[in-house]
Amino acid sequence: DSGVTQTPKHLITATGQRVTLRCSPRSGDLSVYWYQQSLDQGLQFLIQYYNGEERAKGNILERFSAQQFPDLHSELNLSSLELGDSALYFCASSPRGTSGGTEQFFGPGTRLTVL
Amino acid sequence: QQQVKQSPQSLIVQKGGISIINCAYENTAFDYFPWYQQFPGKGPALLIAIRPDVSEKKEGRFTISFNKSAKQFSLHIMDSQPGDSATYFCAASKSSGSARQLTFGSGTQLTVLP
Repeated sequence: DSGVTQTPKHLITATGQRVTLRCSPRSGDLSVYWYQQSLDQGLQFLIQYYNGEERAKGNILERFSAQQFPDLHSELNLSSLELGDSALYFCASSPRGTSGGTEQFFGPGTRLTVL
Repeated sequence: QQQVKQSPQSLIVQKGGISIINCAYENTAFDYFPWYQQFPGKGPALLIAIRPDVSEKKEGRFTISFNKSAKQFSLHIMDSQPGDSATYFCAASKSSGSARQLTFGSGTQLTVLP
């Protein structure tokens, strides 16, 4: 158990809908990262937040957005869902440090199925 | 553009054998190279990591070999066990202040036969 929690574990929805995935980082970790894992694209970085502020952005679609709240939990919002958005979504967190979050600890993931 | 190339895609090893997975990177700004292990239905778990100022790092049965000039690194699993059967991902990252993201290889599905 990495100490990172994600809810829900599974999510089934229809095309065009909007969903919110939630992540609670390990106690004391300031950075939260979101990754998408799909069969065709592998594990891809989406976005990073550090202490409430966006720090890095990867291949995140404009239909997707995220935020980190004062209690450091994070939410990933996916809207206008398409079949191709079906994937595993992982959250990771890393300890504070001046060199950035080298060690990233992953949660169990949320499996999103878009029908 | 795939920045971290991983091979092989799948690997079958007998119990007690050595499993070797290779990765190559392109971006010389990468300064941290972790390996992750993922079991079905679970999130990736950090296994071992290395920085480019070190050529080898060993933790138990797991060893990373790093060749900075060739921009390659590999994971060696000694005395492979059926419990090691999982998907292994190499990754690389670089820092920009407090910003850091992992770029993953495509993964290697390891099967260790009893």
